[in-house]
Amino acid sequence: IQMTQSPSSLSASVGDRVTITCRASLSISNYLNWYQQKPGKAPKLLIYAASRLQSGVPSRFSGSGSGTDFTLTISSLQPEDFATYYCQQSYSTPYTFGQGTKLEIK
Amino acid sequence: EVQLVESGGGLVQPGGSLRLSCAASGFTFSNHWMSWVRQAPGKGLEWVANIKQDGSEIYYVDSVKGRFTISRDNAKNSLYLQMNSLRAEDTAVYYCAREPYEWSIFGVAIWFDPWGQGTLVTVSS
Repeated sequence: IQMTQSPSSLSASVGDRVTITCRASLSISNYLNWYQQKPGKAPKLLIYAASRLQSGVPSRFSGSGSGTDFTLTISSLQPEDFATYYCQQSYSTPYTFGQGTKLEIK
Repeated sequence: EVQLVESGGGLVQPGGSLRLSCAASGFTFSNHWMSWVRQAPGKGLEWVANIKQDGSEIYYVDSVKGRFTISRDNAKNSLYLQMNSLRAEDTAVYYCAREPYEWSIFGVAIWFDPWGQGTLVTVSS
């Protein structure tokens, strides 16, 4: 299953609302997860099962979608949110990730 | 605290072998599927392999089938990745990750959490 994220990179300002999209090459129900990765660090789980917020993750992060189209929304960007974001399907092995979206400061 | 700590990475020549380890603590290791995920320098994430709680089911990405072997020792709370016939394209940071899951009427949702800090494998002559 191929996962395609858009955009590949994004410039935004603190306080902005940002949306990242992820499209699967076939229907994956709600088996879609989102991760945040900062340089030199391991990925961190943000959202699982498309819309479930991981414990400890700020509520400004939200996920939606089902089937083939999904979104990750950050309602009001904070300085610590500038990072790379990946979607990942767990519908079937081999589990696959999107290519990543690098979120940069404008 | 739930924690995963990888070790065993290093520099190896093409065609060589390396064994990675992942030590788990803070949770009941034997209750969880476990995965290895890798990231080539400057690139995205690639799932490599996973293993069921008792080792009875194992899956690999096609690019490592026949060369890599995932295993576990539940008595030692440890996950392993034996890597043989290494190639330059296997150069990456290798992460181990736990696979929590949740059943629903639609099936089982699976995700990766937590991840270890990663161990770097460099394949070069």
